Amino acid sequence: EDQVTQSPEALRLQEGESSSLNCSYTVSGLRGLFWYRQDPGKGPEFLFTLYSAGEEKEKERLKATLTKKESFLHITAPKPEDSATYLCAVQWGSGGYQKVTFGTGTKLQVIP
Amino acid sequence: DAGVTQSPTHLIKTRGQQVTLRCSPKSGHDTVSWYQQALGQGPQFIFQYYEEEERQRGNFPDRFSGHQFPNYSSELNVNALLLGDSALYLCASSSGTAPGKLFFGSGTQLSVL
Repeated sequence: EDQVTQSPEALRLQEGESSSLNCSYTVSGLRGLFWYRQDPGKGPEFLFTLYSAGEEKEKERLKATLTKKESFLHITAPKPEDSATYLCAVQWGSGGYQKVTFGTGTKLQVIP
Repeated sequence: DAGVTQSPTHLIKTRGQQVTLRCSPKSGHDTVSWYQQALGQGPQFIFQYYEEEERQRGNFPDRFSGHQFPNYSSELNVNALLLGDSALYLCASSSGTAPGKLFFGSGTQLSVL
């Protein structure tokens, strides 16, 4: 069964305490993996796209990496404004039949 | 440059009623996808429209239907509303050059009583 699993479901960090979020996937024909940030009551906001194993992308305190079966979102020295739900999504399939499947997200809370 | 806009922002309906949600994609985007997001869950794919036709569909009943207009804007219609249809409905637009990179609107919060 094609699916995307994120862990942990929730994470509480002290300001400055680095950690990683995980996204594992079992899909046929991976075309890309995407990370989004979602604030309460808002739509997801695009962060990164990763296309192949070994690829890395960085933006401020966030760094995303990709292996053949999972992706990690590393958060270095987080600040309270990094508090949000982080979603990963996988684009998969071939030709005209490509789908985007989302995980259930990791809710991150950064305590001052 | 306006991003993805959705209307209305909030809606309250009763069981059995019908609802129409609207979406205008980001400038330059020709593909519109609709997602349903229940509280605490990730977005669930409903369907995608391209060139005014439904190109793909998720596991949603026929009560969910849509339309795309020549200007690429889109509507989501839900008939015979159920309590379980209460959710945040998200519209996302994308372009053919980066089909997986989605730009989302802020959503319509639908409550069915």
